[in-house]
Amino acid sequence: QQQVKQSPQSLIVQKGGISIINCAYENTAFDYFPWYQQFPGKGPALLIAIRPDVSEKKEGRFTISFNKSAKQFSLHIMDSQPGDSATYFCAPSGTDKLIFGTGTRLQVFP
Amino acid sequence: ETGVTQTPRHLVMGMTNKKSLKCEQHLGHNAMYWYKQSAKKPLELMFVYNFKEQTENNSVPSRFSPECPNSSHLFLHLHTLQPEDSALYLCASSYRGGTSNEKLFFGSGTQLSVL
Repeated sequence: QQQVKQSPQSLIVQKGGISIINCAYENTAFDYFPWYQQFPGKGPALLIAIRPDVSEKKEGRFTISFNKSAKQFSLHIMDSQPGDSATYFCAPSGTDKLIFGTGTRLQVFP
Repeated sequence: ETGVTQTPRHLVMGMTNKKSLKCEQHLGHNAMYWYKQSAKKPLELMFVYNFKEQTENNSVPSRFSPECPNSSHLFLHLHTLQPEDSALYLCASSYRGGTSNEKLFFGSGTQLSVL
């Protein structure tokens, strides 16, 4: 079943620009909203996560925005750098296992 | 280095072969996981072990057989695989397991090709 929809599938951004990746979910029981980052040849690694009691969380250049009523959350990468080029996965969860999105391949060009 | 080591990094096997994937975590975690990652598909959870006990089998075909001798080691035994089983197999660990609001630590995976 398609519980998580991630968009876009791929994203090309120029260095210094803003990258925005969106994740829509169906299950209102989800209460943990992480983003994972995966570089080629590596496994995913937790980048940033948010709980539903706040609408935004910022860690350096990375920000999660959470819209509970719309059942969406997004990842914003400010001042995107070539080193941010990777695949990003949302993985919302509730009392059960993480449900991973299909991934967004981000390419940042100098 | 994530503290989760997987071997081998690459594996090519025929459909009649038997092989095993190995995972070891050095993080003192109690839960270990096998995931399958195929192109353009979400990560698929295969198995979960919590304190060496299997707590989840996500309808995985019996040609995949997991083994968890202790909280630090996890194996995936493979036999009579199909070409569609070709994928990246990822091992992960977490502190407790059994709860989803935990940070997963992934290994770099084994890229499996079934001929």
